[in-house]
Amino acid sequence: QQQVRQSPQSLTVWEGETAILNCSYENSAFDYFPWYQQFPGEGPALLIAIRSVSDKKEDGGFTIFFNKREKNLSLHIKDSQPGDSATYFCAASAQGGRALIFGTGTTVSVSP
Amino acid sequence: GGIITQTPKFLIGQEGQKLTLKCQQNFNHDTMYWYRQDSGKGLRLIYYSITENDLQKGDLSEGYDASREKKSSFSLTVTSAQKNEMAVFLCASTIGTGGYEQYFGPGTRLTVL
Repeated sequence: QQQVRQSPQSLTVWEGETAILNCSYENSAFDYFPWYQQFPGEGPALLIAIRSVSDKKEDGGFTIFFNKREKNLSLHIKDSQPGDSATYFCAASAQGGRALIFGTGTTVSVSP
Repeated sequence: GGIITQTPKFLIGQEGQKLTLKCQQNFNHDTMYWYRQDSGKGLRLIYYSITENDLQKGDLSEGYDASREKKSSFSLTVTSAQKNEMAVFLCASTIGTGGYEQYFGPGTRLTVL
């Protein structure tokens, strides 16, 4: 049973386009949603995170849109660059929860 | 800043062999984690520890043991390596538990012959 779902599994965009990655969850108690970025051969690194009291979070060219009622969120990568090519993981946890629950990831390729 | 070090980077073992993976962090974080990453399956929690000598099982703990003898280190043992558990094993640490940023090491890639 996958508590955090991501789509699409992979995505190719042209340089300068906006990449949109989707994430949905089942547990209404989840209140913290980080996105991690992972390059080949490296561990994941925190990219941007949102808490359920907010509906939008921006950091540089990355924006999270959060819909608590629909239990989904999306990560927008604006003006995508080849250096943004990586796998992106959506994760979730509940306050006092033991650990993060990760989605299966979206692999983004940005073509020049 | 701090760093998480995982050793070895690549681990090759025989089927049935007992294998140990090591993780060290210098963040002075209380909580440490072991995740397994299989292609297309995301990260799945094996064990975590909220303090020295504490161990908590994750969803994937069967076939693994863990040890947290010092605050800065967390070891994972594959008790009997199987070919279907070839994966990347990631260690992470955080200041609290669920709602805080986790910092990850570079991973250990396990190959079972």
